[in-house]
Amino acid sequence: DGGITQSPKYLFRKEGQNVTLSCEQNLNHDAMYWYRQDPGQGLRLIYYSQIVNDFQKGDIAEGYSVSREKKESFPLTVTSAQKNPTAFYLCASRISGVTQYFGPGTRLTVL
Amino acid sequence: AQSVAQPEDQVNVAEGNPLTVKCTYSVSGNPYLFWYVQYPNRGLQFLLKYITGDNLVKGSYGFEAEFNKSQTSFHLKKPSALVSDSALYFCAVRLSSGTYKYIFGTGTRLKVLA
Repeated sequence: DGGITQSPKYLFRKEGQNVTLSCEQNLNHDAMYWYRQDPGQGLRLIYYSQIVNDFQKGDIAEGYSVSREKKESFPLTVTSAQKNPTAFYLCASRISGVTQYFGPGTRLTVL
Repeated sequence: AQSVAQPEDQVNVAEGNPLTVKCTYSVSGNPYLFWYVQYPNRGLQFLLKYITGDNLVKGSYGFEAEFNKSQTSFHLKKPSALVSDSALYFCAVRLSSGTYKYIFGTGTRLKVLA
């Protein structure tokens, strides 16, 4: 997990509320990713960014938004449009090579 | 469609015995293949990868994996399992160059019994 931090570790959201998950890395990695993990479904890609001020939708982007204003930061907002947001969210980063490195994750629960 | 399959939801093995966690893939082009391990409520830790070259790849904590192009498999192995190896294991593939996207399997839970 070293070098990639995610906060908070646990997050609770009320119905209709937007919440933002933080992901910061001090590894000078160019690319950053957001995944959602649900039991029995593995990891599914939400958004990814290869350079600052640029990002692409992944497979399940609906109801989520991101920004990449700084190289070290890639926050994810879970909007009220996401109907089933309860999950474990993982951020990852990658330098010019092929290996992704993951943060410790944020567990989001809708109340 | 490009995919990664981990056919076993759970693998049980006795401590000291060899272990195998299976992974097969279906992608176009030459794949980049990875294994990660996840402990409860933690992020994924990188174990090893195959890019090119020798089909037997050695990684962290005594794990290794064998790339078999004809069978499109990348099974994870360890000669002697430890109780501390008990965790959730993910196989992943990076799609052909240019997309920078990765596909993950659904994970295999490994239980090593003392």
